[in-house]
Amino acid sequence: IAGITQAPTSQILAAGRRMTLRCTQDMRHNAMYWYRQDLGLGLRLIHYSNTAGTTGKGEVPDGYSVSRANTDDFPLTLASAVPSQTSVYFCASSSEGGGNNEQFFGPGTRLTVL
Amino acid sequence: GQNIDQPTEMTATEGAIVQINCTYQTSGFNGLFWYQQHAGEAPTFLSYNVLDGLEEKGRFSSFLSRSKGYSYLLLKELQMKDSASYLCAYMDSNYQLIWGAGTKLIIKP
Repeated sequence: IAGITQAPTSQILAAGRRMTLRCTQDMRHNAMYWYRQDLGLGLRLIHYSNTAGTTGKGEVPDGYSVSRANTDDFPLTLASAVPSQTSVYFCASSSEGGGNNEQFFGPGTRLTVL
Repeated sequence: GQNIDQPTEMTATEGAIVQINCTYQTSGFNGLFWYQQHAGEAPTFLSYNVLDGLEEKGRFSSFLSRSKGYSYLLLKELQMKDSASYLCAYMDSNYQLIWGAGTKLIIKP
């Protein structure tokens, strides 16, 4: 693979269920990010990681958790999904956090919580 | 909400020029980004400005005025494939990107 991949592409989930969205990059980027994108709103940062072993909270972290056990993978977990978490989720990475470092985005996961 | 604004939608003609404006308010600023996003796809990077002035890259140019909290993206010689949403984002004092809602650009033949 080349770049950044996400799985699944789309998912319909019952409220209250646990769900993990997967994200993998092969660019050896240090920084990774999870965003959600909702109609009429800008991308909103959920969690980020500036390097393997560290994570931080973004603008809308409640209801979500992340881990960064290695450089390549950055899974996002919804412990108990609620309908307000229906959204398109994008994972992104950059060589380093901050500055003029371009963020590369994965293709997105479209999640519907019923 | 976040203090960044851009028009919701614009329409332009193939072959013409269009300017998409973005205004922001922030106490900490570490650069301004523009991304392009085609419907149903991921955003892709277009430009980055951290100093005042114009950055030109082919048919696309981006301008920044830090004192005015203002940026624009200029697209020349519009092509049908330029139909997309254009996302403006500034990097705040915590080096996190704060995104506008995007401007949907419609190109007509």
